[in-house]
Amino acid sequence: NAGVTQTPKFRILKIGQSMTLQCTQDMNHNYMYWYRQDPGMGLKLIYYSVGAGITDKGEVPNGYNVSRSTTEDFPLRLELAAPSQTSVYFCASSQSPPPGGVDTQYFGPGTRLTVL
Amino acid sequence: GEDVEQSLFLSVREGDSSVINCTYTDSSSTYLYWYKQEPGAGLQLLTYIFSNMDMKQDQRLTVLLNKKDKHLSLRIADTQTGDSAIYFCAETPRGSTLGRLYFGRGTQLTVWP
Repeated sequence: NAGVTQTPKFRILKIGQSMTLQCTQDMNHNYMYWYRQDPGMGLKLIYYSVGAGITDKGEVPNGYNVSRSTTEDFPLRLELAAPSQTSVYFCASSQSPPPGGVDTQYFGPGTRLTVL
Repeated sequence: GEDVEQSLFLSVREGDSSVINCTYTDSSSTYLYWYKQEPGAGLQLLTYIFSNMDMKQDQRLTVLLNKKDKHLSLRIADTQTGDSAIYFCAETPRGSTLGRLYFGRGTQLTVWP
C-alpha cells in the first residue's frame, strides 16, 4: 500500500512554461485535494474532487486546472507558469467523511516547484 | 477563509515537555486537528479532538481545547529529538460536507539534545 504518491519531487520552470503535477492514491479514496504551501505559511486549498468526474475550486484556484478521470489519479495542471506559483504542492486524499464526522486526510510527500 | 493562528517557533531540551498553542476564529468548528510535517515530507495526522471535548490524551500527546477562548494546545511529554518537526493546527468548520481543512502557519519545534 503506497498511499499517496506524487511526481516529480522537484521541478524548475521558466515563466510561461506548462507542466502537470501527478498524484495517485491506492486507498480507493473518493476525496482528493491539491494544496500549496508557501514558505512560512499554512496550506491553502487549490482544487478538490469528491469523486471521478467531479472537481471544484478551493481558495486559490487561479492559474491551475485539474481533472479526475479515475478514482486513483488527480493531476494538477499549470498552463502558464508565473513566479507567484513557486511553492510546495501537496496532494491529499480521504475517505468520504460522514456528516459531522472526522476526516483523516493522507498527504503525499510534495512537489517543490520553482518558477524563474 | 477561516483564521488559525500559531506561534512560529519553539525550542525545548530533550526530555522536557513541549506545548504548542493555536487559536482559531470559527466557534462552530466540529473537529480540530494536529498535523506533523517532518523535513521533506508531507503532513501526517497526529491527533484530533471533537469540539465537545475538553481534553484528549494519546500516549505522550495531550490535546487541550478551550472553546470559550477558542484556544487549542498540544502538549508533548518527554520530548525527543525525533519530535523535531513543524506542527500544524487545522480546523473543520461546522457544516463543511467536504471535511475541508483550514491550516495555521505551523510551529517549528526544535529539540536540543
